[in-house]
Amino acid sequence: DAKTTQPTSMDCAEGRAANLPCNHSTISGNEYVYWYRQIHSQGPQYIIHGLKNNETNEMASLIITEDRKSSTLILPHATLRDTAVYYCIVRARSNDYKLSFGAGTTVTVRA
Amino acid sequence: GAGVSQSPSNKVTEKGKDVELRCDPISGHTALYWYRQSLGQGLEFLIYFQGNSAPDKSGLPSDRFSAERTGGSVSTLTIQRTQQEDSAVYLCASSLAAALHEQYFGPGTRLTVT
Repeated sequence: DAKTTQPTSMDCAEGRAANLPCNHSTISGNEYVYWYRQIHSQGPQYIIHGLKNNETNEMASLIITEDRKSSTLILPHATLRDTAVYYCIVRARSNDYKLSFGAGTTVTVRA
Repeated sequence: GAGVSQSPSNKVTEKGKDVELRCDPISGHTALYWYRQSLGQGLEFLIYFQGNSAPDKSGLPSDRFSAERTGGSVSTLTIQRTQQEDSAVYLCASSLAAALHEQYFGPGTRLTVT
């Protein structure tokens, strides 16, 4: 998604927290931050979303800065199965339902 | 609960043949989407269903592609007279409503046209 900027790749150690940054400096007031991931040869998987408050679910936590210009997805205890391409997108909750992903961040979790 | 399922998982067909791809969305999800993803490429939107109606077919690449949804549930994507450029992974997703971007994807059908 051209509205977001993510690092191309990152490595993290198994069992450690993985912190994935995303910049979205042009985000509008009605746009949410969504994270998806795609494990090799699988369909995309929804992870989490948020508007301005930090969010946590069973998969991850999402930390959004106060100015909403950037966010961080946190995988608290990365496992080898978390190796995937992670996509950060911003979308308004409208009828703009066509998902599109940018290049994302390729995360490799190493034992 | 059960997620989105798709069948077949893999399909190899000869150029010129017709294929049907099936999607079973999450129960209760009124919105259903078809995308395709070519090797190393991003998601390409094909069609969106709200209930049994398809208000947006704008992504279908040609009139060889069609889709239907019955009973507000199962959807079938049909490709007639397949061409080699149709080779891709066809992904189905569903969501509670169109305005929600928490779309849940199936595992996809890998179509190879020889």
